[in-house]
Amino acid sequence: GAVVSQHPSWVICKSGTSVKIECRSLDFQATTMFWYRQFPKQSLMLMATSNEGSKATYEQGVEKDKFLINHASLTLSTLTVTSAHPEDSSFYICSARDGTTRYEQYFGPGTRLTVT
Amino acid sequence: TQLLEQSPQFLSIQEGENLTVYCNSSSVFSSLQWYRQEPGEGPVLLVTVVTGGEVKKLKRLTFQFGDARKDSSLHITAAQPGDTGLYLCAGYTGGFKTIFGAGTRLFVKA
Repeated sequence: GAVVSQHPSWVICKSGTSVKIECRSLDFQATTMFWYRQFPKQSLMLMATSNEGSKATYEQGVEKDKFLINHASLTLSTLTVTSAHPEDSSFYICSARDGTTRYEQYFGPGTRLTVT
Repeated sequence: TQLLEQSPQFLSIQEGENLTVYCNSSSVFSSLQWYRQEPGEGPVLLVTVVTGGEVKKLKRLTFQFGDARKDSSLHITAAQPGDTGLYLCAGYTGGFKTIFGAGTRLFVKA
């Protein structure tokens, strides 16, 4: 149980275009979802926290107009990187929290974004 | 600011050796999780500890939660190359957020 999927697993896009990444909880309802960014050989950097039906809460330094997050249902959250630039290239990982366990997060497999 | 200090940051050992990874904080956690991440993949939950002083075993991995619920350790016995990866501890204090340690990158040489 507690499976989180992410799509796509990798994407290459041109500078200036937008990219949408989907995160789905497959076998549980995710009351809270998180989006992380990870640079090579580093730990996870929390970008934003989203609760179903509410606006996402962004961490300091994360541009909410650039990284659009939509948590439209209890099983789906999306991250859209708008007007992507090469410096946005990174490994993006989502996680979901099962409302019943309250504290455990289950991670998706990640999305490798490369902006050329 | 709540911090979760993880040490060591990097560990390179020979197959068969034992090792311990530590996570320490001045904050009290309701629970603490340990994750393992392999390159190009998302972190995978290994264990959750909830009670102060709790010890959990997962094959060759032993997890301990400090009595005061401010620290935790992960001990691996007879490490194998398959244990190679990034180990992350994560503390939950309530609310929506979980605090992650900086990670310990383990490399086990055959």
